[in-house]
Amino acid sequence: KQEVTQIPAALSVPEGENLVLNCSFTDSAIYNLQWFRQDPGKGLTSLLLIQSSQREQTSGRLNASLDKSSGRSTLYIAASQPGDSATYLCAVWGGDKIIFGKGTRLHILP
Amino acid sequence: DTGVSQDPRHKITKRGQNVTFRCDPISEHNRLYWYRQTLGQGPEFLTYFQNEAQLEKSRLLSDRFSAERPKGSFSTLEIQRTEQGDSAMYLCASSWPGQGYEQYFGPGTRLTVT
Repeated sequence: KQEVTQIPAALSVPEGENLVLNCSFTDSAIYNLQWFRQDPGKGLTSLLLIQSSQREQTSGRLNASLDKSSGRSTLYIAASQPGDSATYLCAVWGGDKIIFGKGTRLHILP
Repeated sequence: DTGVSQDPRHKITKRGQNVTFRCDPISEHNRLYWYRQTLGQGPEFLTYFQNEAQLEKSRLLSDRFSAERPKGSFSTLEIQRTEQGDSAMYLCASSWPGQGYEQYFGPGTRLTVT
């Protein structure tokens, strides 16, 4: 059974710092992995999708990596800004099911 | 296209009543997904459709829950005889193979059962 874990559960950092969010999964037979952000009371916004044959994807200040063999993905955020404050979720697609982690609540201090 | 839309955005109902939610996906997307999310948790997968075919249902989807996508476009999620434990945010997403099935989410329907 696929399990997805996100560490840390919450993180506060000063504005301008670079930071890394972690996502681990137990079954390496995945189709893709997707990172989302969610603002309070809102739906999810897609940030990056990494397909199983890829090792990383970049969009602006965001870079996501995927290491299937170790069951890990990281989301790197460069030069953090107060507007980056949100919950970040990773989701793993394997077989016919999509499993989400519980998310990392990120707070960027002005 | 303005993205995935869901209706209603909020629903308050009394225990035992039936409720129905609607999701309109991005027009060219052939896959449509339903999730449930409670406070402090990630979304939990409920079911998904490819065109009009329902391909997978979670064990979370009890007999009181039913989903349809009759013409492969919009979808409805019905909950019969609602219980207080059904209170949650119900999220819909859509995707298509041209983007590696990257999922795009709607704003959600918040259900409160009193």
